[in-house]
Amino acid sequence: EIVMTQSPATLSVSPGERATLSCRASQSVSSNLAWYQQKRGQSPRLLIYDASTRVTGIPARFSGSGSGTEFTLTISSLQSEDFAVYYCQQYSNWPPSITFGQGTRLEIK
Amino acid sequence: QVELVESGGDLVKPGGSLRLSCAASGFTFGDYYMSWIRQAPGKGLEWVSYISSSSSYTHYADSVKGRFTISRDNAKNSLYLQMNILRAEDTAVYYCARDLTGDYWFDPWGQGTLVTVSS
Repeated sequence: EIVMTQSPATLSVSPGERATLSCRASQSVSSNLAWYQQKRGQSPRLLIYDASTRVTGIPARFSGSGSGTEFTLTISSLQSEDFAVYYCQQYSNWPPSITFGQGTRLEIK
Repeated sequence: QVELVESGGDLVKPGGSLRLSCAASGFTFGDYYMSWIRQAPGKGLEWVSYISSSSSYTHYADSVKGRFTISRDNAKNSLYLQMNILRAEDTAVYYCARDLTGDYWFDPWGQGTLVTVSS
């Protein structure tokens, strides 16, 4: 099974600043990576898929990059509504697996 | 708008069974793969199972293989998860989710239904 490791576990950033979240795969997943946002008490929401494609309606301040085993989600200028938990997720066709990272909590500094 | 509504969560004893349902609306349900994903209390996300649009293909996480069965009824715009031989570690909020592109990217998700396995 491919293991996804996110860092840091908690990130404290001030509103208006940039946040950079990392996700590492235990083996190459090519560009088969997505990012989700989960606010407290809510269901997760897809932000980015195929490592860098933003879902329709997601603000341009969210961007994804990377390929292979190293991926980054960048939020360019944090808004109050962006403070949440972020998960990365990969899929692989062989061996067949879908796995999530353990999450990064983005909190207000 | 696209909406997914889960139901069927309950308190069940270890070894028991439960069937979850997910009602879909706002899109052509039969065109999309669907999945179940769970989240234990205070924990992260764990993919459980998916089913192809025509039910011809299903896949399960190792943790539930042989105990859970995913199914769908496209005429009723509904997704199901039959859960047997439940264990304490199956306690979680269970979400149904649509596969956005056919590449296992999940959007949107339902609001979730809580399954508690305890004696």
